[in-house]
This record gives sequence, C-alpha cells and structure tokens, in this order.
Amino acid sequence: DAGITQSPRHKVTETGTPVTLRCHQTENHRYMYWYRQDPGHGLRLIHYSYGVKDTDKGEVSDGYSVSRSKTEDFLLTLESATSSQTSVYFCAIGAGGYEQYFGPGTRLTVT
Amino acid sequence: QKEVEQNSGPLSVPEGAIASLNCTYSDRVSQSFFWYRQYSGKSPELIMSIYSNGDKEDGRFTAQLNKASQYVSLLIRDSQPSDSATYLCAGGNYGQNFVFGPGTRLSVLP
Repeated sequence: DAGITQSPRHKVTETGTPVTLRCHQTENHRYMYWYRQDPGHGLRLIHYSYGVKDTDKGEVSDGYSVSRSKTEDFLLTLESATSSQTSVYFCAIGAGGYEQYFGPGTRLTVT
Repeated sequence: QKEVEQNSGPLSVPEGAIASLNCTYSDRVSQSFFWYRQYSGKSPELIMSIYSNGDKEDGRFTAQLNKASQYVSLLIRDSQPSDSATYLCAGGNYGQNFVFGPGTRLSVLP
C-alpha cells in the first residue's frame, strides 16, 4: 500500500457522534486525498490536501472536515455522523494529477 | 462536470483470452489516464498510467489512449483467473483531481 496506513480499519458508530479517521504516509508525498466508495457511485473525492494546512473540497464534502498539520498525516472528521455516511473510506497519496496510491481503507458503519 | 464512463459488466472471458476494457471521458482537458485494479474488499491498485496518445505496454497489460476520441482502453493478454477484479479508469490533469469511472467487473473463467 505504498507506505500508507489508515486507522481505524473498521468502525461502528451511532448517528450524531463525531468520528475521525486517520491517514498516515511515509512517502513524503505532497498531495493527500480522502475518497468514499459506495455501490453504484464508484470513488468520490471528499477533500484533498496539497500541503500542510492547505486543503480544499472535493465532490462530496458536505458533513466532512479535514486537517493536515504534518506532511504525513491527513485527518477526516465526520462532525455528526449520519447513516448516509456509512461507506468505505480510502485515503490516497500522490503528486497532483499524476499517480495516486491508495491506503487499505476504513469501513465505517453508522447505525 | 467531468465524467468518466465505463461499462459496468460483468465482462466474462475464458482463461487465456484477451480481455478488453474500455473507458470514455467527457472533457478534452484531462491529459493523464490511469487504470486501477480492485479486488473485492481491497483497495484500488494502480496497474497502468498513460499520458500520450498511442499504446503503452507493461507485461500482459496494454493501455491505449486516443485523446481525439476521448477514449482509453486496457487490454489484458493471456487472462488468468487471478485477473478477476473490478477495473477502474481515472482521468486527471496536473494540479487537478482525478475523476474515476464506476468500474468494470471482469470475470476470467477457468
């Protein structure tokens, strides 16, 4: 997985609770991405970062926030989890328009 | 809104045959194209990237890009049961984000 880890790998949480997913890389890539993958929708970009403290929204950013205080860590927060956020979340790293490499994923279930 | 389209499949081919996977994209800005393989329950794995018109070969895989037709394909020669997976096509450009297609499910029958 190109030096990318995600934690936790599985999480079950209740509606309305905050949840934070962590992505950690050891490759020193500038760009980091959060995607969600759902049946029938494929991979959709939530947020991305192009440097420390530099982030921007993707296609499906509502209900999510991100932070990047160090090159190696990119956090995704669901401020108040809803059942529609039940999904598999993938972190990816890359060089901005070139190859992206994916982490192992986090399966999140919101009950 | 950029779009990347793929036939969802399943595409079934016999072992040893050539599997042909196709992808079309909606814009003329995208310059970089990528094929990912995703096994069930696993993360996408990059198998090919192509930036120029024409063919690019890597082992049993050949990617073909035709920017004028906004078309990119992936050929898998001598298909093996281990190639059974979902193949994702993505398009992008430097400084911009990827757009992924929904994926084509390939089944290689022994």
